[in-house]
Order: sequence, then C-alpha cells, then structure tokens
Amino acid sequence: DIQMTQSPSSLSASVGDRVTITCRASQSISNYLDWYQQKPGKAPKLLIYAASSLQSGVPSRFSGSGSGTDFTLTISSLQPEDFATYYCQQGSNLPLTFGQGTKVEIK
Amino acid sequence: QVQLQQSGPGLVKPSQTLSLTCAISGDSVSTYSASWNWIRQSPSRGLEWLGRTYYRSQWYNDYAVSVKSRITINPDTSKNQFSLQLNSVIPEDTAVYYCVRAVGAGEGYFDYWGQGTLVTVSS
Repeated sequence: DIQMTQSPSSLSASVGDRVTITCRASQSISNYLDWYQQKPGKAPKLLIYAASSLQSGVPSRFSGSGSGTDFTLTISSLQPEDFATYYCQQGSNLPLTFGQGTKVEIK
Repeated sequence: QVQLQQSGPGLVKPSQTLSLTCAISGDSVSTYSASWNWIRQSPSRGLEWLGRTYYRSQWYNDYAVSVKSRITINPDTSKNQFSLQLNSVIPEDTAVYYCVRAVGAGEGYFDYWGQGTLVTVSS
C-alpha cells in the first residue's frame, strides 16, 4: 500500500496568514494527489484534484502543487471558515489511501 | 447536482452484519465515468477506503485487503443505489461510514460524499 504522510499534524495560525501543508507519498504517484477539507461532523469536501486543479466552487486562495512523491497545499490568506482538518489522498494505486490529517487551528 | 443519501442502522451487535444503502440522485450507478465507493472514518484508523463497484460493460468490484473476506458491495440498478455489507463485525468496525462517488483519471478522486452514518458495534 502507498503510505501518505502529512506534516505538520496540526498548526496554529491567524486570519490572513499564509498556510502550507505538506504531503509525502511512500512511492511515486505522478500527479494523482487530491486534497480535502473536513469540518467537525461533516463529510470531507474536495478542494484540489490532480495535485493542482481547483475543484469547482472552491475559493482561489487554495492552491496545490507537486508531483511524484512531494506535494503541497497552500492557503494564501487564511479565512475564519478555513479552520478545519485537511487530508491528502492518493489516487494512483489501490487501495486508495489518505494522509493522517492536518488540523488548522486558530492562533 | 449529484446527491448521495445513506440509510441503515446505527447500531450492530458483534458477529452480525452491518448493512448500509446509498441512494444516488443526479447520476447513474451504471455510468461509465464513475465508481461508487465506501469509506469509513474512525479516530484509530483515520479515513479508510473499503471498496468500490463500477460498470464498464460489466460490473466490477475492488475491496481493501483488510476487509476483503467480510465485505460485499452491490449495485442495484432498479433503484439506482448501491449497498455495503460487512459481515462478522467487531467493535473495531465502529466508525462513521460514507458512500462516495469517485471520478477522474487514475483510480479517481472523491467529489461527492454521503452524509455519513455512525455505526456502533456493541452488544
């Protein structure tokens, strides 16, 4: 199975901050990397697919980059509604696997 | 707009069968451009993909090794839905279960999710 490792596991940030979350795959996954946002009691929501493509309706302050094994999710200016947990997921090989999550908290 | 509506019991006794159904609106379970998945989430295991069904001139299934001996995912074309059965459940199967559509290149990304069902395995 492909292991997905996110860092950091949690972070504290202020509204307006630039936030970067990293995801590393245990083997190359090309650009088959997706990012999700989850708020308490809700299902995950797709933000970015194919490493850098913004899902329809997602604000442009979210962006993704990377290929191979190393990927990044960036929030350019953190908004109050962005405090949540973020997950990466690889769509290269079965079984589909997720990172352990990064919780973004208010500073 | 695709919507996935889950139904099924929230409490299952150990050794019994967990059964959930996911009704699809806005798409077809028989579409060639998506797969229909079950994912669960628990504090101990995180987000865990369990398996999928999809149609490409015939029906296919893929399952996670961790549950392969106990799981069945079936499409129901007459009702445009798909189901999850997990046999011989144990307390560690306690989780929030989601039905999810996957689309796109590779094995796909998850663009539409059901509302989630908390299933507790307890006597």
